[in-house]
Amino acid sequence: KNQVEQSPQSLIILEGKNCTLQCNYTVSPFSNLRWYKQDTGRGPVSLTIMTFSENTKSNGRYTATLDADTKQSSLHITASQLSDSASYICVVSARGSYKLIFGSGTRLLVRP
Amino acid sequence: NAGVMQNPRHLVRRRGQEARLRCSPMKGHSHVYWYRQLPEEGLKFMVYLQKENIIDESGMPKERFSAEFPKEGPSILRIQQVVRGDSAAYFCASSGLGTENTEAFFGQGTRLTVV
Repeated sequence: KNQVEQSPQSLIILEGKNCTLQCNYTVSPFSNLRWYKQDTGRGPVSLTIMTFSENTKSNGRYTATLDADTKQSSLHITASQLSDSASYICVVSARGSYKLIFGSGTRLLVRP
Repeated sequence: NAGVMQNPRHLVRRRGQEARLRCSPMKGHSHVYWYRQLPEEGLKFMVYLQKENIIDESGMPKERFSAEFPKEGPSILRIQQVVRGDSAAYFCASSGLGTENTEAFFGQGTRLTVV
């Protein structure tokens, strides 16, 4: 069964600190992995998208890594800001499919 | 340059009523996807439409739910005879192409509450 699991479920960090969020997936055959940011009450907004051949991609203070062999990904946030408080969702697509398979997300709270 | 527009943002319906959720894709996009997010859960695929065609509705409940994307106007997700379990956030996404590596842009969602 195609699944995406994320950890931790929630995380609290102080402003200015770094953090890393984890994603494991069992989607096969793998096509691409995306990280989305979802603010409370809003729709998901894409941060990065990586295909099989890519193992890292950055978007400002966000850096995503992908290990297609172990089927793991991480999202590293550097120098966190209060506006980073949101849910971060790992999303995987299977080859030949347009369906996005969503994880349940990690809720990040950045405190001053 | 508006993104994906969904309305209404919030919708309250009594059990047994009908709910109509609308989605206008980004300009130039002809592929629309509907996802449902139950409380504390991830988004789940419901249906994929192109103009005037339903491509895949494998995620739609067999009864009471229907979707359309007419030649003119927004895509509509229709829920008949709503029940409490239909309470959720419904998100629409659009893309310019239907391929697997295409960026999908999401709307702000419609939060349906059934009382």
